[in-house]
Amino acid sequence: DIQMTQSPSSLPASVGDRVTITCRASQDISYYLAWYQQKPGKVPKLLIYAASTLQSGVPSRFSGSGSGTDFTLTISSLQPEDVATYYCQKYNSAPPTFGGGTKVEIK
Amino acid sequence: EVQLVESGGGLVQPGRSLRLSCAASGFSFDDYAIHWVRQVPGKGLEWVSGISWNSGSIGYADSVKGRFTISRDNAMNSLYLQMNSLRAEDTALYYCAKDFQPRRKYDYGVFDIWGQGTMVTVSS
Repeated sequence: DIQMTQSPSSLPASVGDRVTITCRASQDISYYLAWYQQKPGKVPKLLIYAASTLQSGVPSRFSGSGSGTDFTLTISSLQPEDVATYYCQKYNSAPPTFGGGTKVEIK
Repeated sequence: EVQLVESGGGLVQPGRSLRLSCAASGFSFDDYAIHWVRQVPGKGLEWVSGISWNSGSIGYADSVKGRFTISRDNAMNSLYLQMNSLRAEDTALYYCAKDFQPRRKYDYGVFDIWGQGTMVTVSS
């Protein structure tokens, strides 16, 4: 099975910072990559699919890029409400597999 | 409002069985693949099982294959997960989650709507 590795696992940043999270697949998954945000005590929320397509209603400060094995999620200007754990997930083939998560905190 | 509501969780002894249910509303249930995803509190997400819109394709994580069975009743807008031979490592919050586009196989799951989850604790 394809493994998904996220880095860093924890990311302290200041309000207004540009934040970048990396996700690496152990094999080529083309653009079949989604990103989710899970705020503390809440259910996961779909942010991005097809590596770079923003889900309806997601703020434009979120963006995704990459293809093949290397992907990034960028928050252009970190807001207090962005404190959450972010997960990548591949969906090119079964099983759908999540990365280990990146916890974004305010410094 | 699009909604998924899980039920059926609880405390169960190792080796016993439990059946989870997920009631859907607010969308055309029979058009979408639906999945079970679990999360140990404080840990990451793990896909457990998925079923296509017409039950034509079904899949399981290796960790539950042979012990768990997913099914759906489109007439009742409901999804089920029969969990047998439960182990301590199955302890988690179990979410049902809807696929984001209609008429897709479970293999390509992308999850746009999640329930609040039902907690399963396996312990003697």
